[in-house]
Amino acid sequence: DADVTQTPRNRITKTGKRIMLECSQTKGHDRMYWYRQDPGLGLRLIYYSFDVKDINKGEISDGYSVSRQAQAKFSLSLESAIPNQTALYFCATSDLSESTDTQYFGPGTRLTVL
Amino acid sequence: GESVGLHLPTLSVQEGDNSIINCAYSNSASDYFIWYKQESGKGPQFIIDIRSNMDKRQGQRVTVLLNKTVKHLSLQIAATQPGDSAVYFCAEIYTSGSRLTFGEGTQLTVNP
Repeated sequence: DADVTQTPRNRITKTGKRIMLECSQTKGHDRMYWYRQDPGLGLRLIYYSFDVKDINKGEISDGYSVSRQAQAKFSLSLESAIPNQTALYFCATSDLSESTDTQYFGPGTRLTVL
Repeated sequence: GESVGLHLPTLSVQEGDNSIINCAYSNSASDYFIWYKQESGKGPQFIIDIRSNMDKRQGQRVTVLLNKTVKHLSLQIAATQPGDSAVYFCAEIYTSGSRLTFGEGTQLTVNP
């Protein structure tokens, strides 16, 4: 979805390095999310934010941190990357004003930690 | 050594046939359900949704059925096309928490 962009699209890094994944959206949505997806598995929620001053842990937040710099930007950091953080990472947005709060996903970032 | 991982349920159909993808959900309090399609190398795409107070909803070539008694959701795709090949996820939302919970996904393969 071109309304939700993620950078970089692919990243290879080494154990112990600090990595930041960025997400931007032009949908004007209040809510933003970070998920990871591992091969053969569904998506698991890492962190979510309902507005600029709101940050909440998801089911697998250990080893990750986030920053909501603006309504349109939500970044995910791996302070000290480890190999089991190798995964596909997706950002998503939703709008509280939509009665269904449907989430719309970005194209994903493929992260490999060696 | 042997690699261990989960294997997605798979469904293989002939082009032109109808496909039915099933999903069991866990939270009887969930009030909203979504089907997503994920093509290889892409993010999940919204297909269709249904509220818990409905049994059926139709879209273009797709129909979602909801059976709350047995907590079961299905996605029917009519006249399946090669472009429908993807992984399909169901997701449930308990809106007071606005947390989306995803099912494990089904790999649909459409044979020409």
